[in-house]
Amino acid sequence: GAVVSQHPSRVICKSGTSVKIECRSLDFQATTMFWYRQFPKQSLMLMATSNEGSKATYEQGVEKDKFLINHASLTLSTLTVTSAHPEDSSFYICSASPAVAGYNEQFFGPGTRLTVL
Amino acid sequence: GNSVTQMEGPVTLSEEAFLTINCTYTATGYPSLFWYVQYPGEGLQLLLKATKADDKGSNKGFEATYRKETTSFHLEKGSVQVSDSAVYFCALRAGGTSYGKLTFGQGTILTVHP
Repeated sequence: GAVVSQHPSRVICKSGTSVKIECRSLDFQATTMFWYRQFPKQSLMLMATSNEGSKATYEQGVEKDKFLINHASLTLSTLTVTSAHPEDSSFYICSASPAVAGYNEQFFGPGTRLTVL
Repeated sequence: GNSVTQMEGPVTLSEEAFLTINCTYTATGYPSLFWYVQYPGEGLQLLLKATKADDKGSNKGFEATYRKETTSFHLEKGSVQVSDSAVYFCALRAGGTSYGKLTFGQGTILTVHP
């Protein structure tokens, strides 16, 4: 149980285009989903916290107009990288917390490798 | 603010060697502490956790004890296997927050040779 999927696993796009990454909780409902960015050989950096039905909360320094997050249902959150540039190339990871009172463990997706040419 | 510091890697060991990966933290209140493992090409998996001082988390032969006096949560395993090769992340979640944010250390790459 507690499986989180991401799609696509890899994406290559041209500079200036937008890319959407999906994060799904497959066997549980998630009130909260988190989006992270991981640079090569570095730690995960939290980008934003997304709560179902409300606006995402972005971490300091993360451009909300560039990284659009939508959490429209209890099993799906999407991250859209708008007008992508090579510096946006990274590994994007989502996690989800089950919608169970007092249960706050995060389950992680396998990540999406974004390469912007 | 909250922060986690892990020993720098990479760590290279022979099979059956003893493993220690150091982790210290800075946090307000009483955080929960975690070790996550990331195998090549996969997402993070929770390895073990401890939610209060002196708790010991354990799983798959790995152990870590929550030491409040030294603000540490070192990961240990008595005899590593080749299959333990992965990246290990220490993390904390600030106390008193449901569905709270995780703060990660920089990760330690472990390579185990036969």
